[in-house]
Amino acid sequence: QKEVEQNSGPLSVPEGAIASLNCTYSDRGSQSFFWYRQYSGKSPELIMSIYSNGDKEDGRFTAQLNKASQYVSLLIRDSQPSDSATYLCAVNMEGTYKYIFGTGTRLKVLA
Amino acid sequence: GAVVSQHPSRVICKSGTSVKIECRSLDFQATTMFWYRQFPKKSLMLMATSNEGSKATYEQGVEKDKFLINHASLTLSTLTVTSAHPEDSSFYICSGNKGVNTEAFFGQGTRLTVV
Repeated sequence: QKEVEQNSGPLSVPEGAIASLNCTYSDRGSQSFFWYRQYSGKSPELIMSIYSNGDKEDGRFTAQLNKASQYVSLLIRDSQPSDSATYLCAVNMEGTYKYIFGTGTRLKVLA
Repeated sequence: GAVVSQHPSRVICKSGTSVKIECRSLDFQATTMFWYRQFPKKSLMLMATSNEGSKATYEQGVEKDKFLINHASLTLSTLTVTSAHPEDSSFYICSGNKGVNTEAFFGQGTRLTVV
């Protein structure tokens, strides 16, 4: 059974701090990795995609991928209360359109 | 990013009736779309894979006769909840993507309440 695991949280950080969200996956063949943000009662929206080992930065967000360790993370710099949401890690099953989603980490940014 | 439009956003129906939810890809063609269900404070649960021009593929435990999926064109997939019961009340979300190994784009979701 292919799996994606995340700590459910809540992860609480003060405003302005760095929030670090982590995800591990079991399918060594996976090549595509995504982070989605989901506000309560809304559908997920794409934050970052990453395909290669290393870091990928986009504004306040940095995704990090380590395929050898089967680990992907998301860093949010200068966290804002508006970043409070559930963050879903998604892994694409190689060669397919199908995704496996983690259970999500609930982030609370305290003003 | 690509746009996926889902309607209705909210629906209330009586027990025993059927409800149809539409999912459209507005700026790309989607040979495959996915239907998810989400309970409060839980993650997305994949229900089925909708395949254009062929039968949907259902995940284990999902009743295909209860959740009818039709994907008649490259831009439209529909999910019909038949003979709805209160336990079918949930948040239903569709997604599509432009190609293999690319990001999924989600519809706005449909909040179904069966009374």
